[in-house]
Amino acid sequence: EAGVAQSPRYKIIEKRQSVAFWCNPISGHATLYWYQQILGQGPKLLIQFQNNGVVDDSQLPKDRFSAERLKGVDSTLKIQPAKLEDSAVYLCASSSSPAPRLDTQYFGPGTRLTVL
Amino acid sequence: AQSVTQLGSHVSVSEGALVLLRCNYSSSVPPYLFWYVQYPNQGLQLLLKYTTGATLVKGINGFEAEFKKSETSFHLTKPSAHMSDAAEYFCAVSTTGGTSYGKLTFGQGTILTVHP
Repeated sequence: EAGVAQSPRYKIIEKRQSVAFWCNPISGHATLYWYQQILGQGPKLLIQFQNNGVVDDSQLPKDRFSAERLKGVDSTLKIQPAKLEDSAVYLCASSSSPAPRLDTQYFGPGTRLTVL
Repeated sequence: AQSVTQLGSHVSVSEGALVLLRCNYSSSVPPYLFWYVQYPNQGLQLLLKYTTGATLVKGINGFEAEFKKSETSFHLTKPSAHMSDAAEYFCAVSTTGGTSYGKLTFGQGTILTVHP
């Protein structure tokens, strides 16, 4: 079974530029998560999708971050414009359902963003 | 709100020695608890999880953890460390209801170093 795919793996941009990340979850997984992992910290949930609907985006900085999950499969996360503090690893995860007792979140390898 | 505290950002052990990584949680409802491992440049991989039932949980690679409600702890142990165990370990707690159902809140991580 193929895992969660993310691209690109690395991205370097200058502040105020735009950037987009792509995630392809495990086939059939209805729930998709985007996490931000700043160096030295644990991952922090940015947004959670159930199929193509947003379940939780309470920690997404909506003035600069946006995310979509068209057709309930692939997802993109965009930052526009980027700030220095956005430097982090962006992790995508998916699960069959949001029920943690029954299902496991599987994580992709992440995209490491450096903002100069 | 739920939170996780991992005691010790770095733990160093000798090969063959006991591994003990500490995790304390705060939750207003019975929690679901997880340990994830992250190897360099890879995504997070689930080691084990506690949802209900037996409080001693066995996971992959010889790791186990015990849920102690009275101590609000979920410490991770392994009787004998192996060089391949060197990685960063994250404890996490999950919401068990509401609109953020399934959301993981992570601790800050503990880097485990194993010496020959």
